[in-house]
Amino acid sequence: AQKVTQAQTEISVVEKEDVTLDCVYETRDTTYYLFWYKQPPSGELVFLIRRNSFDEQNEISGRYSWNFQKSTSSFNFTITASQVVDSAVYFCALSLPEGGSEKLVFGKGMKLTVNP
Amino acid sequence: DTGVSQDPRHKITKRGQNVTFRCDPISEHNRLYWYRQTLGQGPEFLTYFQNEAQLEKSRLLSDRFSAERPKGSFSTLEIQRTEQGDSAMYLCASSPYALSGPRSGVYFGPGTRLTVT
Repeated sequence: AQKVTQAQTEISVVEKEDVTLDCVYETRDTTYYLFWYKQPPSGELVFLIRRNSFDEQNEISGRYSWNFQKSTSSFNFTITASQVVDSAVYFCALSLPEGGSEKLVFGKGMKLTVNP
Repeated sequence: DTGVSQDPRHKITKRGQNVTFRCDPISEHNRLYWYRQTLGQGPEFLTYFQNEAQLEKSRLLSDRFSAERPKGSFSTLEIQRTEQGDSAMYLCASSPYALSGPRSGVYFGPGTRLTVT
C-alpha cells in the first residue's frame, strides 16, 4: 500500500526564518512520483514540484528547495527566509504510474503560519 | 494559459437532492481527475478519465456518484440522493498525457464546496 506521512501538523515561525516541512512516503514500487502542493486560505491547491523516483537531485526554485532521499524515503521541503505569503497548508503526495494514471495519494498536510 | 475551472464554487443542498458539478480542464490536458477533500484532511482520489474513458474509480465512489467526460473535454460529477456525509470540497484536476520534468504536474481547480443540510 502507498502512504504519505507528514508528521508535523502545524508550524509557526517568524518572518525570515527558514522552515523545513518533512514528508515520508511508503511504496513497494521502484517507479513513482512525489509532489508538493500549497493550499493557501483561498483553498486552491497550487502545484509546486514533481520529482521522479529515479532523479535524486535536489531542486531549488527561488526560496524553495526540495531534498529527496530514497534511502530514508523522504522528500522534504525547505522555505528559506519565510514570508507571510508563505502561510498555507502544504501537502506532500505520491503517485504511481500504474495503469497510466497519475492518481495522487496525499499526506494530511502541514499548516504553516508565518508571523510578521 | 487558462487553468482548471469548476462550477459552481459553492453549493448548498438539502439531504436527498441531486447535485451536479462541472469541471473544465486545461485545454491540452487529456487526463482528468476528481478528488474529495474534507476539513483537515488531504484530498482523496475519486475517479480518473483519460480522454472520454473513465479508467479508474475509487471505492469511495458509491453508487450514488457518477462521473462523465463526454467527448473528452469537460467533465461532470453527479451525486444522487445527497447525504450529510457528502459535505466536502470536490476538486477537479488535469494533467497532460506525458509528464516530464519537475514543473510538469497535476493541476487542480478551485473546487466546489458542497454543504448538505
